[in-house]
Amino acid sequence: NAGVTQTPKFQVLKTGQSMTLQCAQDMNHEYMSWYRQDPGMGLRLIHYSVGAGITDQGEVPNGYNVSRSTTEDFPLRLLSAAPSQTSVYFCASSQDSEKLFFGSGTQLSVL
Amino acid sequence: DQQVKQNSPSLSVQEGRISILNCDYTNSMFDYFLWYKKYPAEGPTFLISISSIKDKNEDGRFTVFLNKSAKHLSLHIVPSQPGDSAVYFCAASGGHSGGGADGLTFGKGTHLIIQP
Repeated sequence: NAGVTQTPKFQVLKTGQSMTLQCAQDMNHEYMSWYRQDPGMGLRLIHYSVGAGITDQGEVPNGYNVSRSTTEDFPLRLLSAAPSQTSVYFCASSQDSEKLFFGSGTQLSVL
Repeated sequence: DQQVKQNSPSLSVQEGRISILNCDYTNSMFDYFLWYKKYPAEGPTFLISISSIKDKNEDGRFTVFLNKSAKHLSLHIVPSQPGDSAVYFCAASGGHSGGGADGLTFGKGTHLIIQP
């Protein structure tokens, strides 16, 4: 049972490039979400989904897109990377949207 | 405006003693509180939670206390062990009209260091 799997673990982008952070869970959880963690900050919610086909914005959604075509997958797309998006990104899933299971994170640097 | 505050960035405690981590919140609509533990290079893991209808919840060495009138909660770890050295995040839900599905609001975290 893998839980929540995030790929890649590390990524370096140039300003303006686009990329997709992958997230998959094998626990059949309906709720999935993306958070970012910056130094000295708590985790901040980017986007979330309460089920396949349903997504909504969190606290810091600008510059990111998500889709949820299956229960298992919840990719996060950076449309045009900016240095301000340098961060550690965590994907999480849950059955009740509160007791979250987190992936191990993706460390992203935008130069 | 930070709705969940952990005012101690770090805390050092001797092994075997009690660790007390504090958290304050400002949004009176929060109705569920959680603590997560995070080791370096790993994602946070759920530790313990408490509903606003309770004032205490205990799970083994971990106890969370909630004081609604003071908008304050604390996590007690007794006795503290070396494996407890980690960053602890306080989180809250229910602060939005949409309820818990809107996600959790996290504090900045407290780095707990257990000294041998």
